[in-house]
Amino acid sequence: NAGVMQNPRHLVRRRGQEARLRCSPMKGHSHVYWYRQLPEEGLKFMVYLQKENIIDESGMPKERFSAEFPKEGPSILRIQQVVRGDSAAYFCASSQAQGAANYGYTFGSGTRLTVV
Amino acid sequence: KQEVTQIPAALSVPEGENLVLNCSFTDSAIYNLQWFRQDPGKGLTSLLLIQSSQREQTSGRLNASLDKSSGRSTLYIAASQPGDSATYLCAAGLSGGGADGLTFGKGTHLIIQP
Repeated sequence: NAGVMQNPRHLVRRRGQEARLRCSPMKGHSHVYWYRQLPEEGLKFMVYLQKENIIDESGMPKERFSAEFPKEGPSILRIQQVVRGDSAAYFCASSQAQGAANYGYTFGSGTRLTVV
Repeated sequence: KQEVTQIPAALSVPEGENLVLNCSFTDSAIYNLQWFRQDPGKGLTSLLLIQSSQREQTSGRLNASLDKSSGRSTLYIAASQPGDSATYLCAAGLSGGGADGLTFGKGTHLIIQP
């Protein structure tokens, strides 16, 4: 079991470019969560997805950010027209269906986005 | 809105000491509380998960307790080792509607001196 896989590990983008972050949940997990960790800040919830559905995106910035979890393939966090303030570590977590209360969340190693 | 606070923000102790990390949360309607470890530049490793119906969990030299009524959790590390140096994060899972994710504290940065 490879755990939660995130790629790339490091991503550098120039201001105005697009960033695409990928997350493959653990085998058997159907719930995916994205978190952002800004320098010197705690992890902040962004979005919660199940296959083909966004369940809660209350933590997502209103503009430039979007997320999807298609029927096939990894979950994608997309940031359009990146700005320096988007520089952060982005973590993905997964959980079993209806299992987060009992089994908790498993996190990936994160993608560190640097906007130059 | 759930808020999670961790005290102290940083801690440095000699090897071999027992220590306690504190976590408090404002909304007691949690369904679980999870402690993680984060090494510099790395992801999060889950250490202990306490469900809302439980009062403590143990794994090796680690023991975590949960007191929902007072909104507190502690992580006890026995016989600390240099390899325990890391940032320890506390996260509360809130039951009910809204985000099904976790609310994190800012962490305690722990250094164990050899």
